[in-house]
Amino acid sequence: GAVVSQHPSWVICKSGTSVKIECRSLDFQATTMFWYRQFPKQSLMLMATSNEGSKATYEQGVEKDKFLINHASLTLSTLTVTSAHPEDSSFYICSASEGAGNQPQHFGDGTRLSIL
Amino acid sequence: AQSVTQPDIHITVSEGASLELRCNYSYGATPYLFWYVQSPGQGLQLLLKYFSGDTLVQGIKGFEAEFKRSQSSFNLRKPSVHWSDAAEYFCAVRSNTGKLIFGQGTTLQVKP
Repeated sequence: GAVVSQHPSWVICKSGTSVKIECRSLDFQATTMFWYRQFPKQSLMLMATSNEGSKATYEQGVEKDKFLINHASLTLSTLTVTSAHPEDSSFYICSASEGAGNQPQHFGDGTRLSIL
Repeated sequence: AQSVTQPDIHITVSEGASLELRCNYSYGATPYLFWYVQSPGQGLQLLLKYFSGDTLVQGIKGFEAEFKRSQSSFNLRKPSVHWSDAAEYFCAVRSNTGKLIFGQGTTLQVKP
């Protein structure tokens, strides 16, 4: 149980393109979803927290107009990297939690984004 | 401030040997603690978690961890390491806002 599917797993696109990444909870309802960015050989950096039906909460230093997050249903959240540039190239990982309290976060397999 | 420290950036052990990965946390209240494993190019898989109760928790893949409040530690152990255990390991504490605070990670290399 507790499977999170992230798509696509790998994307290469030209600079200036917008890229959408999907995160789905397959067998549970995700009240909260999280988006992380991970640089090579480093830990995960939380970008934003999204709750179903409300605006995402962004961490300090993360541009909300650059990284658009939508959490329209209890099983789907999307991250759109708008007008992507080479510096946006990274590994993006989503996670989902069934709710507050002691529910753990379950992670997707990540998306490798490469901007040329 | 809440934080997690994994003192060992890189550890190498021989296959079949025992393993201990260290994790220290800083948190005011009773912590919710996690260990995750990440294979190259993959997401994170939950190995085990501690919320309350028995301080020795069992996880998947033969891993266990012991919560020691007096030492603010939550070290991960495995009695006999397999080559497939080579990966990146992250310790995390859940903050009072529900966010996970990760350690820097420990890379485990397994020698044949």
